[in-house]
Amino acid sequence: QVQLVQSGAEVKKPGASVKVSCKASGYTFMKHSISWVRQAPGQGLEWMGWTNADNTNTNYAQKLQDRVTVTTDTSTNTAYMELRSLRSDDTAVYYCARVPDSSSWNYFDYWGQGTLVSVSS
Amino acid sequence: DIVMTQSPDSLAVSLGERAAINCKSSQSVLDSSNNKNNLAWYQQKPGQPPKLLIYWASTRESGVPDRFSGSGSGTDFTLTISSLQAEDVAVYYCHQYYSSPFTFGPGTKVDIK
Repeated sequence: QVQLVQSGAEVKKPGASVKVSCKASGYTFMKHSISWVRQAPGQGLEWMGWTNADNTNTNYAQKLQDRVTVTTDTSTNTAYMELRSLRSDDTAVYYCARVPDSSSWNYFDYWGQGTLVSVSS
Repeated sequence: DIVMTQSPDSLAVSLGERAAINCKSSQSVLDSSNNKNNLAWYQQKPGQPPKLLIYWASTRESGVPDRFSGSGSGTDFTLTISSLQAEDVAVYYCHQYYSSPFTFGPGTKVDIK
């Protein structure tokens, strides 16, 4: 069965960076893209960015594109999201989500369990 | 950016009764090249990730009960739960994947009356 297993919760200070991992299993990694979505406490969903499985194409939300990088490691079927220059309003649960094909313009059919990133001085 | 709005913000429905959630996009999400609406619906229960219910506005995801249905086209969409069950208590989000940045509605909370 398809599974996306994310790394554990993180606590960071303002200005630091965080890198969240998302290990995929149960499907052919190269056939599906990955997007990242975050959810601040008690708030809605915000799309952050997308990568195809082999890192040849990425697409980011403009408000985050100077601070976020999404990558994959095809040798371990793992996707990563790095967010730099963290601020308190980056405190959120971060989700990886599988796209049902290799494109960017598509819905999300499987989600990771989420990783809480807390930013506080 | 395409702005997604949902109504109502919350609703309480008796068990077995119908619940309807509306979603409106600030511009059409209909792809004229394939006549498909690039709109999905997700269900999120507390402490859980979102779960895909509906894609292409009206296609039910495998395993989703048939009491969930999606309708609409262009800018106006509806998610209907035909007979509300206790396990349907959740927040429901619409999502447009027509253009980047891909955006979500603010969510609608569904409770039991």
